Amino acid sequence: GAVVSQHPSRVICKSGTSVKIECRSLDFQATTMFWYRQFPKQSLMLMATSNEGSKATYEQGVEKDKFLINHASLTLSTLTVTSAHPEDSSFYICSAKSTDTQYFGPGTRLTVL
Amino acid sequence: GDSVTQMEGPVTLSEEAFLTINCTYTATGYPSLFWYVQYPGEGLQLLLKATKADDKGSNKGFEATYRKETTSFHLEKGSVQVSDSAVYFCALIYSNYQLIWGAGTKLIIKP
Repeated sequence: GAVVSQHPSRVICKSGTSVKIECRSLDFQATTMFWYRQFPKQSLMLMATSNEGSKATYEQGVEKDKFLINHASLTLSTLTVTSAHPEDSSFYICSAKSTDTQYFGPGTRLTVL
Repeated sequence: GDSVTQMEGPVTLSEEAFLTINCTYTATGYPSLFWYVQYPGEGLQLLLKATKADDKGSNKGFEATYRKETTSFHLEKGSVQVSDSAVYFCALIYSNYQLIWGAGTKLIIKP
């Protein structure tokens, strides 16, 4: 089946720094990727839709200047959390669309100290 | 708007028990329906899916049937194992391939 990878799997950073998370579709091309955030004991929250070669579409309430998304190729999308703060600590998951199914990455645990 | 409602957890069962996790949805069209599973410390995995009414998705002993008349997609397994302990998410894909999620149901299987 289709495989999506994320890097890094865990990252710890200091408050005020920026962190980049990569999402790759390993064996298929994805014109559309999605970024989700999962809060403890809650379901996933869609943050943005990433379209290759164009600007990402952000969900209401998500700060586009804080969560920068770049989808530069058909197999790679990146999420950069700028000027991270402790409240940004969370589990970030990406997915890539193949036909009518989304395939999820393993997630990135971000801890901001 | 579209929504997905799952039974609240945690659901605690003994090994070899029968499992049902209820999922109902509201949608203005004809979405595809999915069950995803998240094992402890891991990312989400597609468990099964059904793309149209009356379709049955199945995988790893789990089954779910797309019931349009009851707007349901209940997950069932005849005999659960400790290794099935995880969080299960019901979801529908409707417009623009964005998933609408249920809140997830934590399943705990005791030996």
